[in-house]
Amino acid sequence: AQSVAQPEDQVNVAEGNPLTVKCTYSVSGNPYLFWYVQYPNRGLQFLLKYITGDNLVKGSYGFEAEFNKSQTSFHLKKPSALVSDSALYFCAVSFLAGGSYIPTFGRGTSLIVHP
Amino acid sequence: NAGVTQTPKFQVLKTGQSMTLQCAQDMNHEYMSWYRQDPGMGLRLIHYSVGAGITDQGEVPNGYNVSRSTTEDFPLRLLSAAPSQTSVYFCASSYRDWVRGNSPLHFGNGTRLTVT
Repeated sequence: AQSVAQPEDQVNVAEGNPLTVKCTYSVSGNPYLFWYVQYPNRGLQFLLKYITGDNLVKGSYGFEAEFNKSQTSFHLKKPSALVSDSALYFCAVSFLAGGSYIPTFGRGTSLIVHP
Repeated sequence: NAGVTQTPKFQVLKTGQSMTLQCAQDMNHEYMSWYRQDPGMGLRLIHYSVGAGITDQGEVPNGYNVSRSTTEDFPLRLLSAAPSQTSVYFCASSYRDWVRGNSPLHFGNGTRLTVT
């Protein structure tokens, strides 16, 4: 079965410190992996994606993610956190079902950046 | 460019009532979908469509109907509302490349539905 897991409900980090939001996946074949961010009372916004190629993917707002095939992980990272990065982050993986690629989302991780 | 527009933003229903959540996109996206978001559950796919006239069920389709008569619109119908359908509903769309896993989803701002 295809699945994606975000093992942490909440991540706390001080402003200026590096942050990591974890994501692991289980999918047959090559995975297509995405990160989205959700600010309060808004829909999700696309941050970055991994399709093929370099294992380190750079995205919006200074975020990057590292794809690790052996560990089936796609962790979101940022070298220096900002208070404005506080939001809900979702990892998603798409898998082939009935001829179409269907996205499935993790449960989300609440990132809180303290001043 | 409005992107994905959902209406209404808020709705309160009584058990047994029916209603339609509207979703429209102006990006000529072939793929459209509906999700519900519940605390601790993430986003769960209700129904999706890969083009006009084509719809399919997602993870939690019971109690919901959809149709896709045009590329732009993808309404979600609640036939007989139940308290378990209290949730935040998101519509999302993307280019057809999504079916090959390449294209990210564009989301509306959501409809917050309460069923009493």
